[in-house]
Amino acid sequence: SQKIEQNSEALNIQEGKTATLTCNYTNYSPAYLQWYRQDPGRGPVFLLLIRENEKEKRKERLKVTFDTTLKQSLFHITASQPADSATYLCALDMENTGFQKLVFGTGTRLLVSP
Amino acid sequence: NAGVTQTPKFRILKIGQSMTLQCTQDMNHNYMYWYRQDPGMGLKLIYYSVGAGITDKGEVPNGYNVSRSTTEDFPLRLELAAPSQTSVYFCASSYSLRSSGSSYNEQFFGPGTRLTVL
Repeated sequence: SQKIEQNSEALNIQEGKTATLTCNYTNYSPAYLQWYRQDPGRGPVFLLLIRENEKEKRKERLKVTFDTTLKQSLFHITASQPADSATYLCALDMENTGFQKLVFGTGTRLLVSP
Repeated sequence: NAGVTQTPKFRILKIGQSMTLQCTQDMNHNYMYWYRQDPGMGLKLIYYSVGAGITDKGEVPNGYNVSRSTTEDFPLRLELAAPSQTSVYFCASSYSLRSSGSSYNEQFFGPGTRLTVL
């Protein structure tokens, strides 16, 4: 069956370091992948989208890579700040119909300490 | 723009009761979605709509119904509430150039409705 895996354990890092979160998927070839941020008690907020023909995408301190051979996306936050503490979700359109029927991973909680 | 708004924020239902979760967006998005999020689980798609009058099932539609009579509103109806429907419900919307799909855009989420069924 199709599956998206994110590390369920929280990632603890110190302020100023680079945080790297992983999203792995199986049995599927998505046309694109999205990353969202979710704070406690709030809805997810879109961060970045990367297409299958893009190896890397950047936005300010954020960088996403997409390796369709490894079936993996890495999400990096450079110069991390305590305000970056949140849960980060990756999402794929498993059906590739273009209707954006996203399947979400369970998310990885990031804790950035001062 | 208010974005995506949802009401109520919280609700407690008794088993067998019914209710409607409201969702409205003011961004003129053609696509709208309902997800549920259980603790430690990813969001799961319940229903989606690609335009007024068009709805379709997602991954977990049983026990729910939707309608889309306008572009702005996408209510989710729970009939005969069960404890398994205790969850946080999120509505989302996005824009696609065509109602037939083939467009990749971000989804905008509402703040969620926390529902408990006892």
